[in-house]
Amino acid sequence: NAGVTQTPKFRVLKTGQSMTLLCAQDMNHEYMYWYRQDPGMGLRLIHYSVGEGTTAKGEVPDGYNVSRLKKQNFLLGLESAAPSQTSVYFCASSYLLGTVSYNEQFFGPGTRLTVL
Amino acid sequence: SQQGEEDPQALSIQEGENATMNCSYKTSINNLQWYRQNSGRGLVHLILIRSNEREKHSGRLRVTLDTSKKSSSLLITASRAADTASYFCATDATYSGAGSYQLTFGKGTKLSVIP
Repeated sequence: NAGVTQTPKFRVLKTGQSMTLLCAQDMNHEYMYWYRQDPGMGLRLIHYSVGEGTTAKGEVPDGYNVSRLKKQNFLLGLESAAPSQTSVYFCASSYLLGTVSYNEQFFGPGTRLTVL
Repeated sequence: SQQGEEDPQALSIQEGENATMNCSYKTSINNLQWYRQNSGRGLVHLILIRSNEREKHSGRLRVTLDTSKKSSSLLITASRAADTASYFCATDATYSGAGSYQLTFGKGTKLSVIP
């Protein structure tokens, strides 16, 4: 099992350029999440998905879009990158154990994005 | 908004000593989790404690939860250089209507274990 994988690992963009970050998980998890991590800020939730074909906004969704066309993949898009989006992006997935609230999240290795 | 706040922000100890990190949160929770992040890596789940539990152990880790004070502590006993990492607490914010389970992370405690 590869767990949660992210591509690319590093990327440098110019202001105004667009890109898509790909997250894939092979654990058949229902839930997937995109976070950004900035120095001194901890992790902040951008968007999340509770299942194939569904997405929802998190704490800091502006400037990002997401899609979950397949259960195993969760894409994060930046349509017009801005320097404020320079960050490390993490994808995570989780599952439900029956009806019990149990939300251990499994994280990918991260994508380091710099916007110039 | 950050629900959990870790204390201290940074901690430096000698190998073999115990390390204690604290987390405070603001609203009612279903469970509280602790994660570790090694430099340049993703987060790794360490332990989960439910709101009706007061203490939990996993190897050299001991977690306590005091819901009346809205606080938790993570104790790492007999620390090793390999324990050097950032440690985050995360609280469960359950949205029953949407059926989604989100976590809200604190800013983390950076632990350095000196050999």
